[in-house]
Amino acid sequence: NAGVTQTPKFQVLKTGQSMTLQCAQDMNHEYMSWYRQDPGMGLRLIHYSVGAGITDQGEVPNGYNVSRSTTEDFPLRLLSAAPSQTSVYFCASRTTGLATTGELFFGEGSRLTVL
Amino acid sequence: AQSVTQLGSHVSVSEGALVLLRCNYSSSVPPYLFWYVQYPNQGLQLLLKYTSAATLVKGINGFEAEFKKSETSFHLTKPSAHMSDAAEYFCAVSDSRASTLTFGKGTMLLVSP
Repeated sequence: NAGVTQTPKFQVLKTGQSMTLQCAQDMNHEYMSWYRQDPGMGLRLIHYSVGAGITDQGEVPNGYNVSRSTTEDFPLRLLSAAPSQTSVYFCASRTTGLATTGELFFGEGSRLTVL
Repeated sequence: AQSVTQLGSHVSVSEGALVLLRCNYSSSVPPYLFWYVQYPNQGLQLLLKYTSAATLVKGINGFEAEFKKSETSFHLTKPSAHMSDAAEYFCAVSDSRASTLTFGKGTMLLVSP
């Protein structure tokens, strides 16, 4: 069972560079989201999507873009990386509708360092 | 707006001792509550969840949590700690099954022999 797959697992960028973190899930989940994890800060929601073509901002959206063209994929784009974006990024998905319990399923994370 | 407070960024116990990790929530409506565990260099894994059924919820690996509305708490317990329980634990709240999940800042559980 693949579940939620994130790539790359590690990335080092220079300030001002751009990159895309990839997230794919094979569970047919409508809801997908991106969190960042920083020491002492827990997980903070960046962006989320409740279905293809629909995205919305979370708590810390600045500096990040997302799009959702398919149910399976939800990439996170950094247009101009800054050292403050050094973090571990997690993609998570869940079911929607009456049957959902709200449980999120997480990928293994992508560790990003911006120099 | 919903929020979660986890008391204690680090908790240390001896192997075999009781584990108690504290979580208090704020929500304007009856909440959905979750505990997740994160082992080093891994993603988050669900331990247990409260979704308005029984107030005492049993999860994996011997953990359980009790929802106390009057205290707005959802503390995580385990009667006897194992070395393998050493990890970071996150409490999370949602104000409905359909809304976003808000996480606490986490509690690192350290287990000594």
